[in-house]
Amino acid sequence: NAGVTQTPKFQVLKTGQSMTLQCAQDMNHEYMSWYRQDPGMGLRLIHYSVGAGITDQGEVPNGYNVSRSTTEDFPLRLLSAAPSQTSVYFCASSYVSTGAGDTQYFGPGTRLTVL
Amino acid sequence: DAKTTQPPSMDCAEGRAANLPCNHSTISGNEYVYWYRQIHSQGPQYIIHGLKNNETNEMASLIITEDRKSSTLILPHATLRDTAVYYCIVFGTSYGKLTFGQGTILTVHP
Repeated sequence: NAGVTQTPKFQVLKTGQSMTLQCAQDMNHEYMSWYRQDPGMGLRLIHYSVGAGITDQGEVPNGYNVSRSTTEDFPLRLLSAAPSQTSVYFCASSYVSTGAGDTQYFGPGTRLTVL
Repeated sequence: DAKTTQPPSMDCAEGRAANLPCNHSTISGNEYVYWYRQIHSQGPQYIIHGLKNNETNEMASLIITEDRKSSTLILPHATLRDTAVYYCIVFGTSYGKLTFGQGTILTVHP
């Protein structure tokens, strides 16, 4: 298994540009999520999905869109990039279970700089 | 989900046990304690989790107090590769929505 993969590893954008960060997992996990991590900070949840066709907002959703058309993929779209979106973005996946939740597996991250 | 409190940093000598504390005084009965770590900007890595019994796996041990208001992650023989930020997370019914605090920066020195 490749686990959770993210592309690209690095990206530089200009203010106002759009782009899509890709995330894929091959573990047949129902749950997928996107986090951002600013320097010296913990991770903050952007959006999450509990299955294909179902998405919801996390703690910091503004400026980001997501969709989940397949179990494997969960892309994150920046519609109009802003310098405040400079961050490291992590995708994660897990099985969905009642009560305790399940171990989450994280991708290697995408380092985004918006000029 | 309950909030957690961890010391901002700790040091440990290589080969010694690293004991990382976590307070979660508002934990409720159905919430688990999870530990993740993040090594130098990599994606967080799951370590261990528990409900009320002590747990051990190949990476670490988790000791949860009887009242469940605090816990300790134990790395029995720390190595330089264990230098990382360690996150204690209390997690219950919010499917997958982990809340990461600042964590504890563990530095293992020779």
